[in-house]
Amino acid sequence: EIVLTQSPGTLSLSPGERATLSCRASQSVSSSYLAWYQQKPGQAPRLLIYGASSRATGIPDRFSGSGSGTDFTLTISRLEPEDFAVYYCQQYGSLPGTFGQGTKVEIK
Amino acid sequence: EVQLLESGGGLVQPGGSLRLSCAASGFMFSTYAMSWVRQAPGKGLEWVSAISGSGATTYYADSVKGRFTISRDNSKNTLYVQMNSLRAEDTAVYYCAKGNRDGSSSWYKIYFDSWGQGTLVTVSS
Repeated sequence: EIVLTQSPGTLSLSPGERATLSCRASQSVSSSYLAWYQQKPGQAPRLLIYGASSRATGIPDRFSGSGSGTDFTLTISRLEPEDFAVYYCQQYGSLPGTFGQGTKVEIK
Repeated sequence: EVQLLESGGGLVQPGGSLRLSCAASGFMFSTYAMSWVRQAPGKGLEWVSAISGSGATTYYADSVKGRFTISRDNSKNTLYVQMNSLRAEDTAVYYCAKGNRDGSSSWYKIYFDSWGQGTLVTVSS
């Protein structure tokens, strides 16, 4: 099973700042089959990025994904008030598909 | 517009059973793999089970293997999970999620592009 470790656990930033979230895999993720999701309290997760770097439909271009192999990054170029949430990475290249433990982006 | 509507959650005693349903609309249901993903209170996401578009192939996490059964009725655009021998650690919000294969030939190499609102399952005496 591929274990995904997200860091940091919590990121305290102000609106307008840049957020950089890390997702590290215990083994190489095949074909960059890595996705990122955003979850707000009381809501279902929402897909942001798939294939490590492709934005999902309707996702603003301030969200970008990068990386390959075992190291992946989600970057939010300028935080908007609605971006404060928990973010999860997910690998889907091998079974069982696994999620990271999440990074909370909170208002500083 | 894709819509996924879960139902069937509730309070059940340890050792009991529950069946969750997910009514899908807005897409060609039979051509997409579907999954159940759960989230224990205050915790992260766990991929529980998945089923191919035809229903011929399934996957289960080790934590539920032998106790949960995923199925689908493509004539009714509905996904199910039958949960038996429930334990306290099965307490969670259960989400139905639509899988997208991202160009892969493997049915299980899927990310989740749409999610339902979730249904809460509480296992407690």
